[in-house]
Amino acid sequence: GAVVSQHPSRVICKSGTSVKIECRSLDFQATTMFWYRQFPKQSLMLMATSNEGSKATYEQGVEKDKFLINHASLTLSTLTVTSAHPEDSSFYICSARGSTGSYEQYFGPGTRLTVT
Amino acid sequence: GQSLEQPSEVTAVEGAIVQINCTYQTSGFYGLSWYQQHDGGAPTFLSYNALDGLEETGRFSSFLSRSDSYGYLLLQELQMKDSASYFCAVRDGNNYGQNFVFGPGTRLSVLP
Repeated sequence: GAVVSQHPSRVICKSGTSVKIECRSLDFQATTMFWYRQFPKQSLMLMATSNEGSKATYEQGVEKDKFLINHASLTLSTLTVTSAHPEDSSFYICSARGSTGSYEQYFGPGTRLTVT
Repeated sequence: GQSLEQPSEVTAVEGAIVQINCTYQTSGFYGLSWYQQHDGGAPTFLSYNALDGLEETGRFSSFLSRSDSYGYLLLQELQMKDSASYFCAVRDGNNYGQNFVFGPGTRLSVLP
């Protein structure tokens, strides 16, 4: 099956610094990648959708200047949390879809971000 | 607005059958997916229904009624490893039908 990786799996950073999370589709080309945020024991909240070569579409309430998304190739998307604060601490999960008509999303293993 | 409802918790014993319901209210509808997520892990795809009816995949089945904005996941012959959170997700009309809106999740506990 399709495999999506994320790096790093865990990161601890100080308040005010920026953190970059990478999401890669290992054995397929992902035309669309999604970034989600999940708080403990809660659901996945879609943050943004990114299509290769174009600007990401952010969900209402998500600050695009704070959560920078780049989808530079068909196998890589990055999420940069800029000037991180403790309230940004969360589980960030990416998913990828191989073709526009496909309904199945393949999720990465997630990145646990802790901002101290 | 968008809203999905699921029971927050369900408990059952090994070998039993469990049904997890999902009702939704979304702007547009392409289909309903179900995902399983173990603690600390990533969601894994279980099923997708675009049309009314029952889809069976091994021990898991998923049902959809578009007219009732309702679906369910049926888990048979429960095993301990089925203890996890289960999310329904609607592929809605936003972003050219690319987006999925996830329900709050149902935590299933399987007891010996």
